[in-house]
Amino acid sequence: QQQVKQSPQSLIVQKGGIPIINCAYENTAFDYFPWYQQFPGKGPALLIAIRPDVSEKKEGRFTISFNKSAKQFSLHIMDSQPGDSATYFCAARATGNQFYFGTGTSLTVIP
Amino acid sequence: GAGVSQSPRYKVAKRGQDVALRCDPISGHVSLFWYQQALGQGPEFLTYFQNEAQLDKSGLPSDRFFAERPEGSVSTLKIQRTQQEDSAVYLCASSLQVVNTGELFFGEGSRLTVL
Repeated sequence: QQQVKQSPQSLIVQKGGIPIINCAYENTAFDYFPWYQQFPGKGPALLIAIRPDVSEKKEGRFTISFNKSAKQFSLHIMDSQPGDSATYFCAARATGNQFYFGTGTSLTVIP
Repeated sequence: GAGVSQSPRYKVAKRGQDVALRCDPISGHVSLFWYQQALGQGPEFLTYFQNEAQLDKSGLPSDRFFAERPEGSVSTLKIQRTQQEDSAVYLCASSLQVVNTGELFFGEGSRLTVL
């Protein structure tokens, strides 16, 4: 059973567009929600993260929106660039330090 | 080294062979995690160490999988009698803190192909 559901599976946007990636979860015990960026042949790297007592967090061009009541969170990438083309994973932390990852979104930003 | 180092980067095994995958975490990092990433999927948790203690091994798919971190630094993931379904990228990650803030530092992974 997928603990964190992520959509869409793939996304293509023009340079300057604002891709949005969505994630949903059921376990209300999750207490920390990071997003990871992965380039081909590399391991995932932490991009930005949020706690459930905050509704929005912004770091540079990346913004997380968090809706605790709906148990959903999303990643927005402002002014997207070709260098942002990568696979993005949302994740959620359970008690005991275990992280559950979404299935990933492959983003392509067309110049 | 500056980051998490994994070896080998690529491993081809015949079905039934045993394999060992090594992870060198960032120096001083207390927590160490192993994940399995199938093609086109997200990382799936396998096991977690805090120093040398294996605190959670609930994600290991079968008793053919075994992990150790005897001195609280380098870790080895061993897979016995490999099967085709074991083909995946095995990711190691480490974290400085005991209580994980989410900042996992991942290695580049070991890609295992079982023929």
